[in-house]
Amino acid sequence: DGGITQSPKYLFRKEGQNVTLSCEQNLNHDAMYWYRQDPGQGLRLIYYSQIVNDFQKGDIAEGYSVSREKKESFPLTVTSAQKNPTAFYLCATNIGTPSTDTQYFGPGTRLTVL
Amino acid sequence: GQQVMQIPQYQHVQEGEDFTTYCNSSTTLSNIQWYKQRPGGHPVFLIQLVKSGEVKKQKRLTFQFGEAKKNSSLHITATQTTDVGTYFCAGRRGAQKLVFGQGTRLTINP
Repeated sequence: DGGITQSPKYLFRKEGQNVTLSCEQNLNHDAMYWYRQDPGQGLRLIYYSQIVNDFQKGDIAEGYSVSREKKESFPLTVTSAQKNPTAFYLCATNIGTPSTDTQYFGPGTRLTVL
Repeated sequence: GQQVMQIPQYQHVQEGEDFTTYCNSSTTLSNIQWYKQRPGGHPVFLIQLVKSGEVKKQKRLTFQFGEAKKNSSLHITATQTTDVGTYFCAGRRGAQKLVFGQGTRLTINP
């Protein structure tokens, strides 16, 4: 949306399968983020990357993995180790200077694990 | 760790009534941001407050940052159906990552 693409919008998987969510941006932003949103809860940070080939764990990284091989792409893999993977996943970049930057979100992928 | 609490979790109003959501942090914040998420959509940045006691307005929306930089509020005057959605605050302490509140879901009876 407006520079960040997340596909697909809805994703269904069977329990025990790994699944990779894509996030692509053409904004030339260095930093990219993955958040998880559950009903009635705020956004919780899973992983973030401030530069290519480098990424950091967020608050709820267990059961997830990421890679940052290109500036434009920051895919998130939800592994079978993630206990409750069904959620709305949001990718974001940031705008502005460090410590006052704001988040710019993609349209999100709604993952349902059956 | 840093926590940001937001209340209420839900608010239902009649169109034309006012609405307020409150955000409280356990620690002093360097800045606070507000986002709006329409139903089925993604969060969109509204505003950032940086200074102690700061008040900013966007049409019918008024944002305040507390004197101690630990709390903030968003007030909407005379709500309209276009205001429906979930409003999130997000606080930052220094150079640390943003911490989001749980959000307040606003529904409006036309």
